[in-house]
Amino acid sequence: NAGVTQTPKFQVLKTGQSMTLQCAQDMNHNSMYWYRQDPGMGLRLIYYSASEGTTDKGEVPNGYNVSRLNKREFSLRLESAAPSQTSVYFCASSEGRGNYGYTFGSGTRLTVV
Amino acid sequence: DQQVKQNSPSLSVQEGRISILNCDYTNSMFDYFLWYKKYPAEGPTFLISISSIKDKNEDGRFTVFLNKSAKHLSLHIVPSQPGDSAVYFCAAGSGSGNTPLVFGKGTRLSVIA
Repeated sequence: NAGVTQTPKFQVLKTGQSMTLQCAQDMNHNSMYWYRQDPGMGLRLIYYSASEGTTDKGEVPNGYNVSRLNKREFSLRLESAAPSQTSVYFCASSEGRGNYGYTFGSGTRLTVV
Repeated sequence: DQQVKQNSPSLSVQEGRISILNCDYTNSMFDYFLWYKKYPAEGPTFLISISSIKDKNEDGRFTVFLNKSAKHLSLHIVPSQPGDSAVYFCAAGSGSGNTPLVFGKGTRLSVIA
Protein backbone atom coordinates (compact mmCIF):
# COMPACT_ATOMS: atom_id res chain seq x y z
CA ASN A 1 0.00 0.00 0.00
CA ALA A 2 1.85 3.09 -1.26
CA GLY A 3 -0.23 5.82 0.47
CA VAL A 4 0.91 9.20 -0.88
CA THR A 5 3.63 9.17 -3.53
CA GLN A 6 5.57 12.30 -4.47
CA THR A 7 7.91 12.72 -7.42
CA PRO A 8 10.65 13.72 -7.75
CA LYS A 9 12.35 13.36 -4.38
CA PHE A 10 15.06 15.90 -5.18
CA GLN A 11 15.33 18.66 -7.76
CA VAL A 12 17.68 21.53 -8.49
CA LEU A 13 16.36 24.33 -10.67
CA LYS A 14 17.86 27.50 -12.02
CA THR A 15 16.07 30.75 -11.32
CA GLY A 16 13.33 31.25 -13.89
CA GLN A 17 12.92 27.58 -14.78
CA SER A 18 9.58 25.87 -14.40
CA MET A 19 8.68 22.49 -13.03
CA THR A 20 5.76 20.42 -11.77
CA LEU A 21 5.76 18.43 -8.56
CA GLN A 22 3.60 15.34 -8.81
CA CYS A 23 1.51 13.78 -6.05
CA ALA A 24 -0.70 10.71 -6.15
CA GLN A 25 -2.64 8.89 -3.44
CA ASP A 26 -4.18 5.44 -3.53
CA MET A 27 -6.44 5.67 -0.47
CA ASN A 28 -9.51 7.05 -2.28
CA HIS A 29 -9.20 10.25 -0.24
CA ASN A 30 -11.30 13.24 -1.18
CA SER A 31 -9.01 16.06 -0.04
CA MET A 32 -5.41 16.80 -0.99
CA TYR A 33 -2.95 19.45 0.15
CA TRP A 34 0.42 20.98 -0.66
CA TYR A 35 2.59 22.26 2.19
CA ARG A 36 6.09 23.66 2.28
CA GLN A 37 8.46 23.28 5.19
CA ASP A 38 11.17 25.83 5.84
CA PRO A 39 13.54 26.03 8.83
CA GLY A 40 11.85 27.75 11.74
CA MET A 41 8.60 28.18 9.78
CA GLY A 42 6.88 24.85 10.25
CA LEU A 43 4.42 23.56 7.68
CA ARG A 44 2.72 26.24 5.64
CA LEU A 45 -0.20 25.49 3.34
CA ILE A 46 0.27 26.47 -0.29
CA TYR A 47 -2.90 25.17 -1.94
CA TYR A 48 -5.48 22.55 -1.23
CA SER A 49 -8.26 20.67 -2.95
CA ALA A 50 -11.21 19.81 -0.71
CA SER A 51 -12.66 17.53 -3.39
CA GLU A 52 -12.10 16.58 -6.98
CA GLY A 53 -12.71 19.59 -9.19
CA THR A 54 -12.03 22.25 -6.54
CA THR A 55 -8.87 24.05 -5.50
CA ASP A 56 -8.27 26.86 -3.01
CA LYS A 57 -5.39 29.03 -1.93
CA GLY A 58 -3.66 28.49 1.34
CA GLU A 59 -1.37 30.70 3.37
CA VAL A 60 1.47 31.06 0.82
CA PRO A 61 0.11 30.57 -2.75
CA ASN A 62 2.11 33.21 -4.60
CA GLY A 63 4.33 31.78 -7.33
CA TYR A 64 2.48 28.47 -7.49
CA ASN A 65 -0.36 26.89 -9.40
CA VAL A 66 -2.11 23.58 -8.82
CA SER A 67 -4.16 21.08 -10.75
CA ARG A 68 -6.42 18.41 -9.32
CA LEU A 69 -6.12 16.11 -12.29
CA ASN A 70 -8.49 13.50 -10.89
CA LYS A 71 -9.34 12.09 -7.47
CA ARG A 72 -5.90 10.48 -7.13
CA GLU A 73 -3.57 13.19 -8.40
CA PHE A 74 -2.79 16.75 -7.30
CA SER A 75 0.13 18.54 -8.93
CA LEU A 76 1.97 21.71 -7.93
CA ARG A 77 3.57 23.88 -10.60
CA LEU A 78 6.24 26.53 -10.30
CA GLU A 79 6.05 28.65 -13.44
CA SER A 80 9.20 30.70 -12.84
CA ALA A 81 11.22 29.39 -9.92
CA ALA A 82 12.82 31.82 -7.47
CA PRO A 83 15.44 31.17 -4.76
CA SER A 84 12.72 31.92 -2.15
CA GLN A 85 10.98 28.75 -3.30
CA THR A 86 13.86 26.61 -2.10
CA SER A 87 12.10 24.36 0.38
CA VAL A 88 10.87 20.88 1.16
CA TYR A 89 7.42 20.30 -0.30
CA PHE A 90 4.96 17.86 1.19
CA CYS A 91 1.78 16.58 -0.34
CA ALA A 92 -0.91 15.18 1.96
CA SER A 93 -4.35 13.67 1.61
CA SER A 94 -7.33 13.07 3.87
CA GLU A 95 -10.82 11.65 3.66
CA GLY A 96 -12.22 15.13 4.30
CA ARG A 97 -15.79 15.59 5.47
CA GLY A 98 -14.91 15.68 9.17
CA ASN A 99 -11.97 13.30 9.14
CA TYR A 100 -8.80 15.13 10.02
CA GLY A 101 -6.29 12.33 9.62
CA TYR A 102 -3.73 13.48 7.06
CA THR A 103 -1.37 11.08 5.30
CA PHE A 104 1.78 12.78 4.06
CA GLY A 105 4.14 11.88 1.27
CA SER A 106 7.87 11.68 1.91
CA GLY A 107 8.53 15.10 0.40
CA THR A 108 10.35 16.77 -2.48
CA ARG A 109 13.48 18.71 -1.65
CA LEU A 110 13.73 21.59 -4.12
CA THR A 111 16.71 23.90 -4.48
CA VAL A 112 16.52 26.96 -6.72
CA VAL A 113 19.89 28.47 -7.58
CA ASP B 1 -0.68 36.08 12.92
CA GLN B 2 0.18 32.61 14.13
CA GLN B 3 -2.93 30.69 15.11
CA VAL B 4 -0.99 27.69 16.44
CA LYS B 5 2.15 28.37 18.43
CA GLN B 6 4.86 26.07 19.62
CA ASN B 7 7.14 28.37 21.55
CA SER B 8 9.92 25.89 22.25
CA PRO B 9 11.96 25.16 19.12
CA SER B 10 13.81 22.36 20.87
CA LEU B 11 13.74 20.16 23.94
CA SER B 12 16.29 17.70 25.37
CA VAL B 13 15.24 14.93 27.73
CA GLN B 14 17.02 11.96 29.23
CA GLU B 15 15.91 8.50 28.27
CA GLY B 16 13.26 7.16 30.65
CA ARG B 17 12.11 10.59 31.78
CA ILE B 18 8.96 12.45 30.77
CA SER B 19 8.90 14.69 27.68
CA ILE B 20 6.34 17.51 27.69
CA LEU B 21 5.73 19.40 24.47
CA ASN B 22 3.48 22.44 24.55
CA CYS B 23 1.19 24.13 22.06
CA ASP B 24 -1.00 27.23 22.28
CA TYR B 25 -3.72 28.35 19.91
CA THR B 26 -5.56 31.59 19.40
CA ASN B 27 -8.58 30.65 17.29
CA SER B 28 -11.50 29.66 19.52
CA MET B 29 -13.17 27.98 16.54
CA PHE B 30 -10.63 25.16 16.59
CA ASP B 31 -12.32 21.99 17.83
CA TYR B 32 -9.87 19.25 16.91
CA PHE B 33 -6.19 19.01 17.70
CA LEU B 34 -3.50 16.64 16.50
CA TRP B 35 0.15 15.89 17.00
CA TYR B 36 2.37 14.75 14.15
CA LYS B 37 5.86 13.35 14.38
CA LYS B 38 8.51 13.86 11.73
CA TYR B 39 11.83 12.12 11.23
CA PRO B 40 14.49 13.60 8.91
CA ALA B 41 13.92 12.92 5.21
CA GLU B 42 10.41 11.57 5.89
CA GLY B 43 6.93 13.05 5.82
CA PRO B 44 5.08 13.82 9.06
CA THR B 45 3.11 10.93 10.53
CA PHE B 46 0.03 11.14 12.71
CA LEU B 47 0.68 10.48 16.39
CA ILE B 48 -2.36 11.30 18.51
CA SER B 49 -5.40 13.59 18.46
CA ILE B 50 -8.01 15.05 20.76
CA SER B 51 -11.45 16.52 20.24
CA SER B 52 -12.51 19.68 22.07
CA ILE B 53 -15.15 17.71 23.94
CA LYS B 54 -12.40 15.88 25.82
CA ASP B 55 -9.59 17.09 28.03
CA LYS B 56 -7.34 14.04 27.78
CA ASN B 57 -6.54 11.30 25.32
CA GLU B 58 -4.07 8.52 25.93
CA ASP B 59 -2.40 6.06 23.58
CA GLY B 60 0.31 3.95 25.10
CA ARG B 61 3.22 6.17 26.13
CA PHE B 62 1.60 9.24 24.59
CA THR B 63 -1.01 11.42 26.26
CA VAL B 64 -2.44 14.69 25.00
CA PHE B 65 -4.04 17.14 27.42
CA LEU B 66 -6.33 19.95 26.34
CA ASN B 67 -7.11 23.04 28.41
CA LYS B 68 -9.75 24.92 26.42
CA SER B 69 -10.00 27.88 28.77
CA ALA B 70 -6.27 28.50 28.41
CA LYS B 71 -6.25 27.52 24.70
CA HIS B 72 -3.38 25.21 25.47
CA LEU B 73 -2.55 21.62 24.77
CA SER B 74 0.39 19.47 25.68
CA LEU B 75 1.84 16.14 24.61
CA HIS B 76 3.36 13.93 27.30
CA ILE B 77 5.66 11.07 26.40
CA VAL B 78 6.39 8.66 29.24
CA PRO B 79 8.90 7.09 29.34
CA SER B 80 10.89 8.84 26.64
CA GLN B 81 12.96 6.64 24.33
CA PRO B 82 15.78 7.53 21.93
CA GLY B 83 13.51 6.57 19.01
CA ASP B 84 11.21 9.41 20.04
CA SER B 85 13.82 11.92 18.87
CA ALA B 86 12.06 13.79 16.08
CA VAL B 87 10.28 17.04 15.27
CA TYR B 88 6.77 17.21 16.70
CA PHE B 89 4.12 19.39 15.07
CA CYS B 90 0.95 20.52 16.77
CA ALA B 91 -2.02 21.03 14.41
CA ALA B 92 -5.55 22.33 14.80
CA GLY B 93 -8.72 22.17 12.77
CA SER B 94 -12.27 23.52 12.95
CA GLY B 95 -15.76 22.99 11.70
CA SER B 96 -16.63 19.97 9.63
CA GLY B 97 -13.06 19.19 8.69
CA ASN B 98 -13.37 20.78 5.27
CA THR B 99 -10.90 23.50 6.15
CA PRO B 100 -7.24 22.54 6.22
CA LEU B 101 -5.29 21.93 9.38
CA VAL B 102 -3.13 24.75 10.72
CA PHE B 103 0.28 23.60 11.91
CA GLY B 104 2.66 25.05 14.46
CA LYS B 105 6.35 25.55 13.73
CA GLY B 106 7.37 22.34 15.45
CA THR B 107 9.50 21.33 18.43
CA ARG B 108 12.62 19.24 17.95
CA LEU B 109 12.81 16.61 20.71
CA SER B 110 16.13 14.96 21.50
CA VAL B 111 16.06 12.00 23.85
CA ILE B 112 19.50 11.35 25.23
CA ALA B 113 20.48 7.81 26.18
